[in-house]
Amino acid sequence: DTAVSQTPKYLVTQMGNDKSIKCEQNLGHDTMYWYKQDSKKFLKIMFSYNNKELIINETVPNRFSPKSPDKAHLNLHINSLELGDSAVYFCASSRTEYNEQFFGPGTRLTVL
Amino acid sequence: GEDVEQSLFLSVREGDSSVINCTYTDSSSTYLYWYKQEPGAGLQLLTYIFSNMDMKQDQRLTVLLNKKDKHLSLRIADTQTGDSAIYFCAESMGGGSYIPTFGRGTSLIVHP
Repeated sequence: DTAVSQTPKYLVTQMGNDKSIKCEQNLGHDTMYWYKQDSKKFLKIMFSYNNKELIINETVPNRFSPKSPDKAHLNLHINSLELGDSAVYFCASSRTEYNEQFFGPGTRLTVL
Repeated sequence: GEDVEQSLFLSVREGDSSVINCTYTDSSSTYLYWYKQEPGAGLQLLTYIFSNMDMKQDQRLTVLLNKKDKHLSLRIADTQTGDSAIYFCAESMGGGSYIPTFGRGTSLIVHP
């Protein structure tokens, strides 16, 4: 069973569109995260949620809106996609915000 | 410069030892990590070391920490082709900020 899963694995879309990436963890963890990995493999935290509440929001454009319907899910919605949004987006979870993070397989987003 | 720096590539022959180096800037770093990313997969925590330790060994992996020079290394003994991956160094401060700051990753290529 996959511990942290993301859908879709690949997403190709046009500039200006709105898209969502879904993340689910079946580990019973309290904390979930979204990271962005650019073309140079630089991995940067975007958001962190603890028990469905936002605890970290790095300097990310407000076109990005995370939504946590419950502890096991943290979805990422992106409005008005831009070329620079092309990257691999990783979801992760940890038991609490002080524990080891487990990463999902990533979603490769390509904006044309 | 970046907070965590690593060389981008390392090529070794199967059976040799690999040494991946990393430097970081934050002297208040409490935890230092090594993550492994295989193609098409998320990051997997390999090992970590507390800042009050000099060395940690786990089977084929040896982590060395020089806190004075802010230098971290990962040695993989008897490197195998299955070790080919990207290795990320990361640090976190702890005490309320356990989110790791990642380097750009070192691509380890193991050839026969």
